[in-house]
Amino acid sequence: GAVVSQHPSRVICKSGTSVKIECRSLDFQATTMFWYRQFPKQSLMLMATSNEGSKATYEQGVEKDKFLINHASLTLSTLTVTSAHPEDSSFYICSAETSGADTQYFGPGTRLTVL
Amino acid sequence: QKEVEQNSGPLSVPEGAIASLNCTYSDRGSQSFFWYRQYSGKSPELIMSIYSNGDKEDGRFTAQLNKASQYVSLLIRDSQPSDSATYLCALVDLYSSASKIIFGSGTRLSIRP
Repeated sequence: GAVVSQHPSRVICKSGTSVKIECRSLDFQATTMFWYRQFPKQSLMLMATSNEGSKATYEQGVEKDKFLINHASLTLSTLTVTSAHPEDSSFYICSAETSGADTQYFGPGTRLTVL
Repeated sequence: QKEVEQNSGPLSVPEGAIASLNCTYSDRGSQSFFWYRQYSGKSPELIMSIYSNGDKEDGRFTAQLNKASQYVSLLIRDSQPSDSATYLCALVDLYSSASKIIFGSGTRLSIRP
């Protein structure tokens, strides 16, 4: 149980384009999903917290207009990196938890490379 | 002061020995603690959660929590080369309404054959 998937696993795009990453909880309903970014040899940095049906809460320093998050259902959240630039190249990981639980289950991650 | 502190390593342990990973935290009121394993290029995988003082064992893994001293540790018995990874200590952010997790920077563990 507690399986989280992400799609795509790897994406390469040109600078200035937008990229959408999907995060799905496959066998449970995720009331809250989290989006992280991890640069090489660094720990995970939380970008935003999203609750189903409401606006995401962004961490300080994360541009909400650049990183669009939608949590339209209890099993799906999407992160759209708009007008991507090479400095946005990173490993993006989502996690999900159920209501009342404090354990997060991580997706396999999406490696974004912006040329 | 970082909220979750870990030695970055690398920690090198011979195969078959016990690997001991340590973590300290700054907020005395923290209640929920986790150890995640992360292989290079992969996302974190939950190994153990611990909420009460003392030891919690699961297979070759034992988590230890001492709230008075504000440390959490992870012991890996009979270390295998497949245990070579970065181990992340984490706790739930008390001041978050959404169970945000605060991660340490991780300890790189290398098991040498």
